[in-house]
Amino acid sequence: GDSVTQMEGPVTLSEEAFLTINCTYTATGYPSLFWYVQYPGEGLQLLLKATKADDKGSNKGFEATYRKETTSFHLEKGSVQVSDSAVYFCALGSGANSKLTFGKGITLSVRP
Amino acid sequence: ETGVTQSPTHLIKTRGQQVTLRCSSQSGHNTVSWYQQALGQGPQFIFQYYREEENGRGNFPPRFSGLQFPNYSSELNVNALELDDSALYLCASSGPGQGAYEQYFGPGTRLTVT
Repeated sequence: GDSVTQMEGPVTLSEEAFLTINCTYTATGYPSLFWYVQYPGEGLQLLLKATKADDKGSNKGFEATYRKETTSFHLEKGSVQVSDSAVYFCALGSGANSKLTFGKGITLSVRP
Repeated sequence: ETGVTQSPTHLIKTRGQQVTLRCSSQSGHNTVSWYQQALGQGPQFIFQYYREEENGRGNFPPRFSGLQFPNYSSELNVNALELDDSALYLCASSGPGQGAYEQYFGPGTRLTVT
């Protein structure tokens, strides 16, 4: 079945550091890929998405490229801020009912 | 435009009891999906409702059931509660005209089973 694997966390960075969060997936067919973010005390928010190979999703300075050859969708940001502290989930969407399959999530803490 | 809302926010139940969680979808959205998020884990797909019919189900036992109403709001019912049912239950809605699989989540209901 479909699955998503995220790098182990947590991750702690200093403000303005470069961020990479790894995500790889296993799926049949051609899934859509997503990054969701969960800020403390809030629900899941869609951060960015890519629907086909080589697409790049971007939002709020974050980027991720759909790499079919390596089945990856790594999240990057050039300069993190304290306000980026949250839990980040990689997910894939597949099937006729559009169900989402999530990774375990990774906690990012950014210190001033 | 209101977002996805869920009620109640928190709930404490005893093992063996039954619980009903409620979700109002975002305006214009006709599809509702439910997910269970255990502590420290990613959300797991329970099932989806589209036009009042179940439209796919994850690996959850039949004691997890749901409904969708004509106004597209939805309920999740769990019978014979077990300790492992303690989790955050998330509702997500999506609608026509959106990108495939783009779902908008509510804040969740935190269920504790003692």
